[in-house]
Amino acid sequence: RKEVEQDPGPFNVPEGATVAFNCTYSNSASQSFFWYRQDCRKEPKLLMSVYSSGNEDGRFTAQLNRASQYISLLIRDSKLSDSATYLCVVESRSGTYKYIFGTGTRLKVLA
Amino acid sequence: EAQVTQNPRYLITVTGKKLTVTCSQNMNHEYMSWYRQDPGLGLRQIYYSMNVEVTDKGDVPEGYKVSRKEKRNFPLILESPSPNQTSLYFCASSLQGHQPQHFGDGTRLSIL
Repeated sequence: RKEVEQDPGPFNVPEGATVAFNCTYSNSASQSFFWYRQDCRKEPKLLMSVYSSGNEDGRFTAQLNRASQYISLLIRDSKLSDSATYLCVVESRSGTYKYIFGTGTRLKVLA
Repeated sequence: EAQVTQNPRYLITVTGKKLTVTCSQNMNHEYMSWYRQDPGLGLRQIYYSMNVEVTDKGDVPEGYKVSRKEKRNFPLILESPSPNQTSLYFCASSLQGHQPQHFGDGTRLSIL
C-alpha cells in the first residue's frame, strides 16, 4: 500500500460545481498535512494547511479524519482558474521531517 | 522578494559527467529539501536538511549527494549521472520542518 494515495482523476466539472478530493495516508503517526496545487509541471504552490479541526479559506475547505486516516479538500463554486493538479502532502514524523506527496488529482473545470 | 532560486533551469548532459544543481533561499529558512518529479510517480523526496550541517536521506537518495554548509544554500550533486536520473527537480524550503514549503521553479534535467 502506498503511504499516500489519491484518486488521479481527471475530474471534469462544470463551472460553479462543487468538487471534493480525498487523500488517504498509511502512517498513523503523521502530524502535518497540506494541500498544494500544481499547474502543468510548474512548481507546487501551497493551497492550504490542514488542521485537526478543519479549516476554510474562501471557497476551499480542508478536513482531517485521523481515525480513518484521510484528508479531504472541498472546492465550492469552481472557477476555470481552479483547473490544476491537486497534491496532498503528508509529513511522516519519525524523528525527522520527511514529506510524502500523493501523485495528485487532476481537476479540469469546464466552461 | 522572498524566493527559492534554482540553477540551471534546464540542462542536457551526458552520462557520467558530474553536475551540480544549485538552490538558494533568501527567507532564512532552516529546512530545505530536494524532490524529483516523474510521470505517474509524483514528487519524491531525495534529501532534506533540518539546518546547517544536518542532512538526511529521503525516499530516493541513491546517486545523489547534498551539502548544507550555509543556511541559504543546498546544492544537489550528481557525481556520475545516469539516464534514469532524467527528471524534473524541485528545491523547497520552509521556516521549520513541520511548516509548509516554498518551491523553486524547477530544473529540467536530461541525461543522455
